[in-house]
Amino acid sequence: GQQVMQIPQYQHVQEGEDFTTYCNSSTTLSNIQWYKQRPGGHPVFLIQLVKSGEVKKQKRLTFQFGEAKKNSSLHITATQTTDVGTYFCAGTSGTYKYIFGTGTRLKVLA
Amino acid sequence: GAGVSQSPRYKVAKRGQDVALRCDPISGHVSLFWYQQALGQGPEFLTYFQNEAQLDKSGLPSDRFFAERPEGSVSTLKIQRTQQEDSAVYLCASSRRPAGQGTDTQYFGPGTRLTVL
Repeated sequence: GQQVMQIPQYQHVQEGEDFTTYCNSSTTLSNIQWYKQRPGGHPVFLIQLVKSGEVKKQKRLTFQFGEAKKNSSLHITATQTTDVGTYFCAGTSGTYKYIFGTGTRLKVLA
Repeated sequence: GAGVSQSPRYKVAKRGQDVALRCDPISGHVSLFWYQQALGQGPEFLTYFQNEAQLDKSGLPSDRFFAERPEGSVSTLKIQRTQQEDSAVYLCASSRRPAGQGTDTQYFGPGTRLTVL
């Protein structure tokens, strides 16, 4: 079945450093979403990408969807302590079933 | 309400007991999803409702799991004869439109943490 993997599993950065998480699907996706989950919290929607090669920015966050629509990345510039949490990608191949990635847990050291 | 609510927030059940978990989606939202999240893992899809119709239940782990949304708003996830492997956080999410029509922003509730002893 469809699988979505994320790397790295964990990332510790100093405040002010950049951070990137990568998401890879075993199948072509119709769209991909990114979520942030704070410790003890629930996933919060960040963005949805639909088009091949699409790039979207939200302040310090940059999201990319690969040309083949099988991979995606989230890049955070100049991390802050408020960026702490686990970042998940979630993709669908056109059904109602969103497959969540394994997540990347980010810790930011002040 | 302003967001998705779930109750109870915590549930401890003895193995073999039946449980019912409730989800109140955002008013007017057409789509409702249930997910199971094990510790340190990403949410795993259980089932999807479009209004009162359950269009996908392929993620339900066994026939002990049953979900309903009879009037197209509140949903209940029922687990019969709970087992220890059912211990997890059960998340509900709602979305304004039918899945696949535009941006499927999923608004998640706080979850119900189920512990089966």
